[in-house]
Amino acid sequence: EAQVTQNPRYLITVTGKKLTVTCSQNMNHEYMSWYRQDPGLGLRQIYYSMNVEVTDKGDVPEGYKVSRKEKRNFPLILESPSPNQTSLYFCASSPGTGAEQYFGPGTRLTVT
Amino acid sequence: EDQVTQSPEALRLQEGESSSLNCSYTVSGLRGLFWYRQDPGKGPEFLFTLYSAGEEKEKERLKATLTKKESFLHITAPKPEDSATYLCVTRYSTLTFGKGTMLLVSP
Repeated sequence: EAQVTQNPRYLITVTGKKLTVTCSQNMNHEYMSWYRQDPGLGLRQIYYSMNVEVTDKGDVPEGYKVSRKEKRNFPLILESPSPNQTSLYFCASSPGTGAEQYFGPGTRLTVT
Repeated sequence: EDQVTQSPEALRLQEGESSSLNCSYTVSGLRGLFWYRQDPGKGPEFLFTLYSAGEEKEKERLKATLTKKESFLHITAPKPEDSATYLCVTRYSTLTFGKGTMLLVSP
């Protein structure tokens, strides 16, 4: 089954404790992206990657890191999480930048 | 700054009551407009892509249309399972997401 998977689905952590949210897709898509979704603000892009070893900032990249060492994986790293990073996070993949995106199930992160 | 505005923010319909959702954008040189459906707590699900004014796409009870400044998502005879938030996304050099229209269809 074609899908985008994210882990963990739910995470509660404390300020400053480094964490990684994994994202994997099995559709051989070149384009992958991370979003956060907050009430009243909609979906905002954090980082995206057009191919292996190619990443770029989205609209709200501060406090986040990403890497794309393999085509299928695109982890999101929070080196020192803060409470304002409490949000619902989505990973997405696409055959290309102009094409439709396939979203993962989401990761609900709470930073206390 | 590119803007995407969706209206209304929320819409309540009775089952079978047709209506339309609007997506207005101020992007010149549009390179694509996407519609997604999102259920609470889940990832958005792709519905349609439109590229040029006059284009229309249909899927079951949904039909998306595009003009030079706006797109409409027409819902014909909706059912309760059509209840969701519908997102409009435009693509120019980057993607811009609208905040969505929350649709509730009552039996």
